[in-house]
Amino acid sequence: AQTVTQSQPEMSVQEAETVTLSCTYDTSESDYYLFWYKQPPSRQMILVIRQEAYKQQNATENRFSVNFQKAAKSFSLKISDSQLGDAAMYFCAYLGSSGDKLTFGTGTRLAVRP
Amino acid sequence: GAVVSQHPSRVICKSGTSVKIECRSLDFQATTMFWYRQFPKKSLMLMATSNEGSKATYEQGVEKDKFLINHASLTLSTLTVTSAHPEDSSFYICSAALDGPYGYTFGSGTRLTVV
Repeated sequence: AQTVTQSQPEMSVQEAETVTLSCTYDTSESDYYLFWYKQPPSRQMILVIRQEAYKQQNATENRFSVNFQKAAKSFSLKISDSQLGDAAMYFCAYLGSSGDKLTFGTGTRLAVRP
Repeated sequence: GAVVSQHPSRVICKSGTSVKIECRSLDFQATTMFWYRQFPKKSLMLMATSNEGSKATYEQGVEKDKFLINHASLTLSTLTVTSAHPEDSSFYICSAALDGPYGYTFGSGTRLTVV
């Protein structure tokens, strides 16, 4: 079974600075998809960024980018120019090639200091 | 974009009663929907996968007689918590699978409190 590990329960960053959230996963598949979701205090799950495993290029969405290391099974999220609105729980998630169900990590709570 | 509407957002019910939570896909057809439970400061725990027109598939340890799931149409899935007890109090979230590997879109969640 696939597992997703987020080893940082909590992180803190100064506004306007950069922070990296870690995620590792375990799988025997070669084709899969990885996601970062944000859950603000409203509890609404919001897709931040998506990476297809067959793509070597790291995904980027404005201030959010990933460092995808397939061999190391690592998928970290970098948030640049952090804003107060970035404060939230961040979940890393895995989706197998069969497109069945998402497997979530345990989450990282990000605090942004003004 | 694809939107999933979940209602109610909050519900308080008495112990022993049943409560129904609805999850609707507003602008797309959702063949498959998922129901999650989330404890405070914890991750999402998948409870069951709901497929339109067929029985739901429950994860190990989830009581299917307690958490009844119905997916009668391509736009509506419901979760009914039967004979609710205080330990059923939690945050419940639904999601719908989008076409292809584009992830999932989530409802806004339901906070259930059983008193």
